Amino acid sequence: AQSVTQPDIHITVSEGASLELRCNYSYGATPYLFWYVQSPGQGLQLLLKYFSGDTLVQGIKGFEAEFKRSQSSFNLRKPSVHWSDAAEYFCAVAPRSGSYQLTFGKGTKLSVIP
Amino acid sequence: DADVTQTPRNRITKTGKRIMLECSQTKGHDRMYWYRQDPGLGLQLIYYSFDVKDINKGEISDGYSVSRQAQAKFSLSLESAIPNQTALYFCATSDSGVSETQYFGPGTRLLVL
Repeated sequence: AQSVTQPDIHITVSEGASLELRCNYSYGATPYLFWYVQSPGQGLQLLLKYFSGDTLVQGIKGFEAEFKRSQSSFNLRKPSVHWSDAAEYFCAVAPRSGSYQLTFGKGTKLSVIP
Repeated sequence: DADVTQTPRNRITKTGKRIMLECSQTKGHDRMYWYRQDPGLGLQLIYYSFDVKDINKGEISDGYSVSRQAQAKFSLSLESAIPNQTALYFCATSDSGVSETQYFGPGTRLLVL
């Protein structure tokens, strides 16, 4: 069965520092890959997605993610974190064919120190 | 996303009561989903619907039922609420194209006493 692992439950970074959130997946074939962000009291907003092509994907709010097939990873990065980036981040995968289900990781909560 | 609305936004109910959570979308999408979110567990799929006549169980459907009244409306019911159904519930939509990107509503926070 497919699974998504986000090994870091909580990360704290200083404002202006770089950020990397890890995501690994277990799947029979390369799935569609997504990162969502959930701000406090809000729904989930799509940051970026990977379907095919360039393995470095640019998203909104200055985020990017890199797909590495050999490592089954899709890590999210941002070169300089802003206080408004404090939120919970979810990695998710979906199959490329068959019955569609989006499988989420358990999330990484990001705190930003001024 | 304002295109996906959920009502109510907050609800307190008692054990054994029947409640309904409603979701409406103006995105024109065929596919709609219901998830629950529990702290530390991420989101889990309850039910999904690919069109009005196509409804499927997700990974945690026990204790829940759904109704797809129209393309734009997808309701989730708890027939007899229990305390461990206390959670944050999200509705989502996607189109039937290749993108498979899901768009989420703001959520309904449910407390079962």
